[in-house]
Amino acid sequence: AQSVSQHNHHVILSEAASLELGCNYSYGGTVNLFWYVQYPGQHLQLLLKYFSGDPLVKGIKGFEAEFIKSKFSFNLRKPSVQWSDTAEYFCAVNALMGTYKYIFGTGTRLKVLA
Amino acid sequence: ETGVTQSPTHLIKTRGQQVTLRCSSQSGHNTVSWYQQALGQGPQFIFQYYREEENGRGNFPPRFSGLQFPNYSSELNVNALELDDSALYLCASSFYLGGSPPHGYTFGSGTRLTVV
Repeated sequence: AQSVSQHNHHVILSEAASLELGCNYSYGGTVNLFWYVQYPGQHLQLLLKYFSGDPLVKGIKGFEAEFIKSKFSFNLRKPSVQWSDTAEYFCAVNALMGTYKYIFGTGTRLKVLA
Repeated sequence: ETGVTQSPTHLIKTRGQQVTLRCSSQSGHNTVSWYQQALGQGPQFIFQYYREEENGRGNFPPRFSGLQFPNYSSELNVNALELDDSALYLCASSFYLGGSPPHGYTFGSGTRLTVV
């Protein structure tokens, strides 16, 4: 079955540390990839997305992600995190399986210490 | 530009009852999808509506059903509620051309359903 795996469930970093959150998906066809963020008490917001072209995509708030097709991965990165990045991060895949379906990972809860 | 609005924000129901959740899509969007997010889990895709018809469904039983109206708003209906249906139900809207995937979704804040 198609799935999205986020290997880190909880991450704790100090401010200014670099961040990398892993995301792997299991689907061999054409996929569109997303990262969403959910700040405490707020709804899901789109951070960035990949459809085609340059596999390194830049999103809002200094986040970027790299699509590596051979590894079925779409890892999220940020060179220097801030306390305000404390949130839950979800990787998602949109793939054509008869019709388009949207599969989310289980999320990574990031806590940034001031 | 209004975002996605969902109602009610919180709801408590008894096992066996039926519930209807509502969603107003973002202006300019024509597709609505629904998700169930249990505590500590990522959102699970329930189904998607486009042109008032279901055009995608996840692994949810038939007692989960929906509607999309001509103004693109939507309802999620759940019959014969079970305790495990307790979750946050998210609605998301997007613009879909047909043949190409939606370019990301705008999510509402969700309806927290508790089944007792």
